[in-house]
Amino acid sequence: KQEVTQIPAALSVPEGENLVLNCSFTDSAIYNLQWFRQDPGKGLTSLLLIQSSQREQTSGRLNASLDKSSGRSTLYIAASQPGDSATYLCAVKGVDYKLSFGAGTTVTVRA
Amino acid sequence: SAVISQKPSRDICQRGTSLTIQCQVDSQVTMMFWYRQQPGQSLTLIATANQGSEATYESGFVIDKFPISRPNLTFSTLTVSNMSPEDSSIYLCSVRPSTDTQYFGPGTRLTVL
Repeated sequence: KQEVTQIPAALSVPEGENLVLNCSFTDSAIYNLQWFRQDPGKGLTSLLLIQSSQREQTSGRLNASLDKSSGRSTLYIAASQPGDSATYLCAVKGVDYKLSFGAGTTVTVRA
Repeated sequence: SAVISQKPSRDICQRGTSLTIQCQVDSQVTMMFWYRQQPGQSLTLIATANQGSEATYESGFVIDKFPISRPNLTFSTLTVSNMSPEDSSIYLCSVRPSTDTQYFGPGTRLTVL
């Protein structure tokens, strides 16, 4: 069974600092990996999707890397803003196409 | 992409009652999923609902407690039956138009007293 771990569980940074969020998974036989953002009491917004054959994906200030062999992904958010405050979830899609979620990293960006 | 709406957005219910959550998608999709997110926890898959067939439930979830309907390719309902406070969660509908990106609805926040 795929186990997904996100560290740290919570992170507080001053505005302008870069954010580094980590995700690790136990089974390297994955189809893809997706990063989501969740605002309090809300649903999930897809941020980036990395196919198993890719090493990284970029969208604006966001960059996600994937090292399948070591079972790790990292989400970088450059020049953080208070609007980036949210919970960030890592989800790994297995070869059976089922998503396994991490518990999330709750980010607070202080103005 | 897919745009998903859910009703109700939130509800407060008494224990022993049932609540039906509706999920509407703006396009036809074969695979639809229902997830639960308990307070402070991540998402757990309840079941997969494909049109024209019985829903497939994950370990720990049963049809009597979480009956699901999937009458067409754009709509599904999840009922939470005989509720207890432990059922207080956010329930999310999700679709997967292709094998790649999965999309989620805004969720239904349920509180059981």
